[in-house]
Amino acid sequence: EDKVVQSPLSLVVHEGDTVTLNCSYEVTNFRSLLWYKQEKKAPTFLFMLTSSGIEKKSGRLSSILDKKELFSILNITATQTGDSAIYLCAGGSRGNTPLVFGKGTRLSVIA
Amino acid sequence: DAGITQSPRYKITETGRQVTLMCHQTWSHSYMFWYRQDLGHGLRLIYYSAAADITDKGEVPDGYVVSRSKTENFPLTLESATRSQTSVYFCASSELGLAYEQYFGPGTRLTVT
Repeated sequence: EDKVVQSPLSLVVHEGDTVTLNCSYEVTNFRSLLWYKQEKKAPTFLFMLTSSGIEKKSGRLSSILDKKELFSILNITATQTGDSAIYLCAGGSRGNTPLVFGKGTRLSVIA
Repeated sequence: DAGITQSPRYKITETGRQVTLMCHQTWSHSYMFWYRQDLGHGLRLIYYSAAADITDKGEVPDGYVVSRSKTENFPLTLESATRSQTSVYFCASSELGLAYEQYFGPGTRLTVT
């Protein structure tokens, strides 16, 4: 059975800190690893990583995919209170199966 | 450009009642999904659809029914609501496929009393 495990489950940091969120995956016939941010509403898409795109960056957020060790990390530098959210990762397969989501990491950034 | 919408946004119903949650997308995405989100469980897939008239069960389909007669609509029906179905329900759609980015609706908070 495919699974995605995120760590830590929750994290509290101060503004300006750099954080690293972890996502390990076991996905049969792996195709993609996706990151989402969820504030007090619906998840919003951040990045998708695949064999052809193992690093992504957008502003203070960046992510890498390690296909050998089967994990991905999401880095947030110079954190702001607006980064407080649940961050979800999901693994996608080349087979006819839907994304498998992890349970998320709850990040709290305090001033 | 409305994107993906859900209605109602909030619903309180009684145990045993039938309730339908609506999902509508304006992008003509082929793929649509229903999730429920509960503390401690994260997002769990209920049903998904690859196209009109094609639906498949997800991780937690029991007690739910879906239909997809039109590409843009994907209603979710709780045939006889139970308290364990109290949750936040998200609809999502994807243009490219099951392993690609999904775009989520705003959610419906359902309480079953």
